[in-house]
Amino acid sequence: AQSVAQPEDQVNVAEGNPLTVKCTYSVSGNPYLFWYVQYPNRGLQFLLKYITGDNLVKGSYGFEAEFNKSQTSFHLKKPSALVSDSALYFCAVRDEDTGRRALTFGSGTRLQVQP
Amino acid sequence: SQTIHQWPATLVQPVGSPLSLECTVEGTSNPNLYWYRQAAGRGLQLLFYSVGIGQISSEVPQNLSASRPQDRQFILSSKKLLLSDSGFYLCAWDKRAGTTDTQYFGPGTRLTVL
Repeated sequence: AQSVAQPEDQVNVAEGNPLTVKCTYSVSGNPYLFWYVQYPNRGLQFLLKYITGDNLVKGSYGFEAEFNKSQTSFHLKKPSALVSDSALYFCAVRDEDTGRRALTFGSGTRLQVQP
Repeated sequence: SQTIHQWPATLVQPVGSPLSLECTVEGTSNPNLYWYRQAAGRGLQLLFYSVGIGQISSEVPQNLSASRPQDRQFILSSKKLLLSDSGFYLCAWDKRAGTTDTQYFGPGTRLTVL
């Protein structure tokens, strides 16, 4: 069975500082990994995904994520946080081998960027 | 470009009343469609998914049901709502073929059962 863990319920960072939101996963085959962001009372917005190739994936709004197969991690990063980045972030995985279409989501991490 | 719509945006219903939430996708054909529920502003639980008209798979047994009467229309229903049905309901779509495809979400429906 596939699973995703986001170990931090909340991450606090000062504006202008780098941010990291952690994600680890478990799959039986090759993982396809996704990051989404959710603002209050809104749907999820796609940020970026890892399918294959370069371990550093660049996405929307200056976010990037690093795939680490040995550590089964896919941490979300941004060099300089903005107050407007404050939101709920979800990591998700799809296992290539199972053929299961639906994504499995982590429990979410709330990012709070202080001015 | 593709867009996904959900309505209503918010809904307040009494316990025991029926429910119908609608989701439609524009700008694509033969999508896979999904219903998720988000409780307490956190994790997403997959409720149903559909790979085609009339084809529904249920992930969690409950008093909800789903139907797909048209290619780009997905409906979530209940005959009698429970308090525990309160939550934020999200519809999503992705392309029929390929497990690498991104799943895109609608704006959601906030359901409060009183």
